[in-house]
Amino acid sequence: EPEVTQTPSHQVTQMGQEVILRCVPISNHLYFYWYRQILGQKVEFLVSFYNNEISEKSEIFDDQFSVERPDGSNFTLKIRSTKLEDSAMYFCASSLQTAYNEQFFGPGTRLTVL
Amino acid sequence: SQQGEEDPQALSIQEGENATMNCSYKTSINNLQWYRQNSGRGLVHLILIRSNEREKHSGRLRVTLDTSKKSSSLLITASRAADTASYFCALIYNQGGKLIFGQGTELSVKP
Repeated sequence: EPEVTQTPSHQVTQMGQEVILRCVPISNHLYFYWYRQILGQKVEFLVSFYNNEISEKSEIFDDQFSVERPDGSNFTLKIRSTKLEDSAMYFCASSLQTAYNEQFFGPGTRLTVL
Repeated sequence: SQQGEEDPQALSIQEGENATMNCSYKTSINNLQWYRQNSGRGLVHLILIRSNEREKHSGRLRVTLDTSKKSSSLLITASRAADTASYFCALIYNQGGKLIFGQGTELSVKP
């Protein structure tokens, strides 16, 4: 069964460093998302992406964040200058034809900022 | 707040018993989705129910939606120890496709 994959599974970085989290959505899906979950808290929406552009972003998704679909299969989240409070599990998700379908999540990348 | 409120926050039952989790919300939705998360792991999609649907089944799962009361429930029948996980309702509003997650219900099924 097709699934969303994410790499790396765990990333440790120093405060102020840039990180890139990678996702490969399900191949025929058209809508892509990033969510994050700080330890012990609820899952929060970051950004949605469709037709090679951001369709919606949350207040969390400020100028230090960016997303890209560089090659038609990968979907990346870049954090330019990480802060301690960016430590969280980051989930990528994709959905099929409309924004109102089931969203399928990857296993997540645990980001630890020291 | 746009998020769903889940009840109970924690539920502990014996294997074989049924588990019911509830989700309430405040404004009209496009659809409501239920997810399961095992400790420290990813989110597994369980069921999507649209605003014009009242009930959906998938295996041992039954989801109901009452739009007049703005509430949904997830019933897991004949629970197993492997059902131990956190269960989240997530709302999609008509303004866009982002999921708004509740705080979740932590289910513990004792063998």
